Amino acid sequence: NAGVTQTPKFQVLKTGQSMTLQCAQDMNHNSMYWYRQDPGMGLRLIYYSASEGTTDKGEVPNGYNVSRLNKREFSLRLESAAPSQTSVYFCASSEVRTGEQYFGPGTRLTVT
Amino acid sequence: GESVGLHLPTLSVQEGDNSIINCAYSNSASDYFIWYKQESGKGPQFIIDIRSNMDKRQGQRVTVLLNKTVKHLSLQIAATQPGDSAVYFCAENGSNDYKLSFGAGTTVTVRA
Repeated sequence: NAGVTQTPKFQVLKTGQSMTLQCAQDMNHNSMYWYRQDPGMGLRLIYYSASEGTTDKGEVPNGYNVSRLNKREFSLRLESAAPSQTSVYFCASSEVRTGEQYFGPGTRLTVT
Repeated sequence: GESVGLHLPTLSVQEGDNSIINCAYSNSASDYFIWYKQESGKGPQFIIDIRSNMDKRQGQRVTVLLNKTVKHLSLQIAATQPGDSAVYFCAENGSNDYKLSFGAGTTVTVRA
């Protein structure tokens, strides 16, 4: 049982490049989330998926798109990366709405 | 703006002493609260949670207290150990909402 896994662990992009961050969970959770974490700040929600087939915007969705591929996988896409998107990205999953969210190890993204 | 915040960004504690980390929230409709621990380079890990129908919950060496009257949450760590050095986040979940809102975090440093 690996929990929540994320790939890649590290990535460097040039401004304007695109990439997709992958996330998978093996806990059969219904809900999945993407957060970003900037230095000295808490986590901010980018997008979430309450259940398979649905996605909704969080606090900071601009510049991102998501896909809930199936119950296990939830990807985050940057279509045209900007330096302001330099951050650490965390994926999480939870079984129910008000319940513990389990986090992955994070992806450290630098946009130059 | 953020609905959850921690009173102090840093806390230095002598090994063996008890630690108290405080958190204030502003959303009176929040019905679920959770504390996470984040070690350097890792994703947040669940410590303990509490629902709004409770005012105290205990775990192994940790206690969470909830005061709904003044919208205050605290995490107490008994007999603090070097492995407790980390950033601690409180988060709250409003009713009818899948989203957790995180505070900025308190960095706890344990002195030997």
